[in-house]
Amino acid sequence: GAVVSQHPSWVICKSGTSVKIECRSLDFQATTMFWYRQFPKQSLMLMATSNEGSKATYEQGVEKDKFLINHASLTLSTLTVTSAHPEDSSFYICSARASGTNEKLFFGSGTQLSVL
Amino acid sequence: QKEVEQNSGPLSVPEGAIASLNCTYSDRGSQSFFWYRQYSGKSPELIMFIYSNGDKEDGRFTAQLNKASQYVSLLIRDSQPSDSATYLCAVNESPGNTPLVFGKGTRLSVIA
Repeated sequence: GAVVSQHPSWVICKSGTSVKIECRSLDFQATTMFWYRQFPKQSLMLMATSNEGSKATYEQGVEKDKFLINHASLTLSTLTVTSAHPEDSSFYICSARASGTNEKLFFGSGTQLSVL
Repeated sequence: QKEVEQNSGPLSVPEGAIASLNCTYSDRGSQSFFWYRQYSGKSPELIMFIYSNGDKEDGRFTAQLNKASQYVSLLIRDSQPSDSATYLCAVNESPGNTPLVFGKGTRLSVIA
């Protein structure tokens, strides 16, 4: 299957700081990537759809000014959590589709964010 | 509202038994169907996909799709303790780069 690389795997930061998470498609080009968040023992929640070269589409209730998404190339999308607070602590996962794979979605390994 | 429904479980089966996981979806026009496995603290991993009515087998896994009844299931034969995880059903409701719609997942526990 296609490989999606996500970094960092975990990050601990102080409240008020910003954290950037990178998502790369290693062996394919991804015009669209998706960002999810998952709280402990809860289901995946789609945050936004990231489109290469254009603005991301955010799901209802997700603050676009807090969760900045940049998809500057066909292989890289970044999610920046700005002015992080303890309630932003969560597992963030990116995913991407490889063209020609009949819409299969491949996930990165996820980033566990802990805000102190 | 388009939905994908799964029993949250936990579903407990003894080692060696068949685990049967079920999923229903609301959008009759849905095109493709996926099963992901997620271990605790890890990201989801694609294990099966199916597009046509009927059964699709891959090793110990069999996916079953019935579009008329709008359900998709996953059978795991000879269940192993390492199969203990949350299984997520996902549906692609329209072609193109639209997000998959995920169910909340069924937690499977295989008892040795």
